[in-house]
Amino acid sequence: GAVVSQHPSWVICKSGTSVKIECRSLDFQATTMFWYRQFPKQSLMLMATSNEGSKATYEQGVEKDKFLINHASLTLSTLTVTSAHPEDSSFYICSARGGGRGANVLTFGAGSRLTVL
Amino acid sequence: QKEVEQNSGPLSVPEGAIASLNCTYSDRGSQSFFWYRQYSGKSPELIMFIYSNGDKEDGRFTAQLNKASQYVSLLIRDSQPSDSATYLCAVRTPGNQFYFGTGTSLTVIP
Repeated sequence: GAVVSQHPSWVICKSGTSVKIECRSLDFQATTMFWYRQFPKQSLMLMATSNEGSKATYEQGVEKDKFLINHASLTLSTLTVTSAHPEDSSFYICSARGGGRGANVLTFGAGSRLTVL
Repeated sequence: QKEVEQNSGPLSVPEGAIASLNCTYSDRGSQSFFWYRQYSGKSPELIMFIYSNGDKEDGRFTAQLNKASQYVSLLIRDSQPSDSATYLCAVRTPGNQFYFGTGTSLTVIP
């Protein structure tokens, strides 16, 4: 149990375009999902907390208009990087609380590597 | 975010030795503590979690928590080359956010 599916796993886009990343909890309901960004050889930086049916809570310094998060159902959260620029190139990882390991444990998706040309 | 601090390493140990990884956190109200392992280019995978002061053992892994010192550690006994990875310490804050340390890179030398 506790599987989180994330896709696409790899995406390349042109500067100025928007990219949507999906995160699904496959075998459990996740009222809360988290979006992280990780640059090479750096740690996971929490971008936002996504709550089902309400607005996401963004960490300080994260532009909410640039990184749109929608958590429309108990099993799906999406992150849209709008008007992407090369500096947005990173590894984006979603995670969900809950599932077989309990409500206080995070299960991660496989991550999405974004390259903006 | 400086909620969680780790020695970035790299840490090298010979095969069969004990690897010791350390982590400190800033929010004294934090209640849940986690160790994740991350291989290069992959997402983190949970090793174990600990909620109470003291030691918690799971196979070759032992997590130690000292809330008074705001310190959590992970011991890996009988280290294997396959244990070579980056180990991330994570803390769940009272606000239910999960923050990660910068990770410690471990290399187990055959």
